[in-house]
Amino acid sequence: DGGITQSPKYLFRKEGQNVTLSCEQNLNHDAMYWYRQDPGQGLRLIYYSQIVNDFQKGDIAEGYSVSREKKESFPLTVTSAQKNPTAFYLCASEDRVNTEAFFGQGTRLTVV
Amino acid sequence: DAKTTQPPSMDCAEGRAANLPCNHSTISGNEYVYWYRQIHSQGPQYIIHGLKNNETNEMASLIITEDRKSSTLILPHATLRDTAVYYCIVRANQGGKLIFGQGTELSVKP
Repeated sequence: DGGITQSPKYLFRKEGQNVTLSCEQNLNHDAMYWYRQDPGQGLRLIYYSQIVNDFQKGDIAEGYSVSREKKESFPLTVTSAQKNPTAFYLCASEDRVNTEAFFGQGTRLTVV
Repeated sequence: DAKTTQPPSMDCAEGRAANLPCNHSTISGNEYVYWYRQIHSQGPQYIIHGLKNNETNEMASLIITEDRKSSTLILPHATLRDTAVYYCIVRANQGGKLIFGQGTELSVKP
């Protein structure tokens, strides 16, 4: 089945450690996105990529990094520079014509 | 990408039509109106999108005013499972990044 997969579903890390969230899609989509969602809030764009080997900062990129070495994969690293990393992280992908974006089930990151 | 304005919350009785408004007065000629919804703690789900003509699919109908400055998403017979946050997004059909606002929290009540 085609789809977009985020792993893990829950992640716990100690403060000061970098952590990488996985996002994989087998939909042959060109564009991929990372969002952060805090309780009771909407989605805020962290990074997005329209094509392999290219990506752009979203509204809240500070403290995060990404790579897009393969079309299928768009991992997000939450670095120790991110002041408040505990949040729900969502990954999405869509084709070049932007008809419909597909979302993963999210990763809930807790930093203690 | 044009900005949208939605009411923060709405209620609807089960079985009745839910009409969710969205204002997008600065929309450009090449920008589409998209609707997504997010059920609690899940990833958003695409509902429908349109440019200037009204659109209908198995989930909902989208009514866009003639001047394209506003639109309405209609769920014809709301059920309890339609309780969610509904996001109206305006963006270009190609190359436009997907930006979410605060959305409308729809509560469908028995």
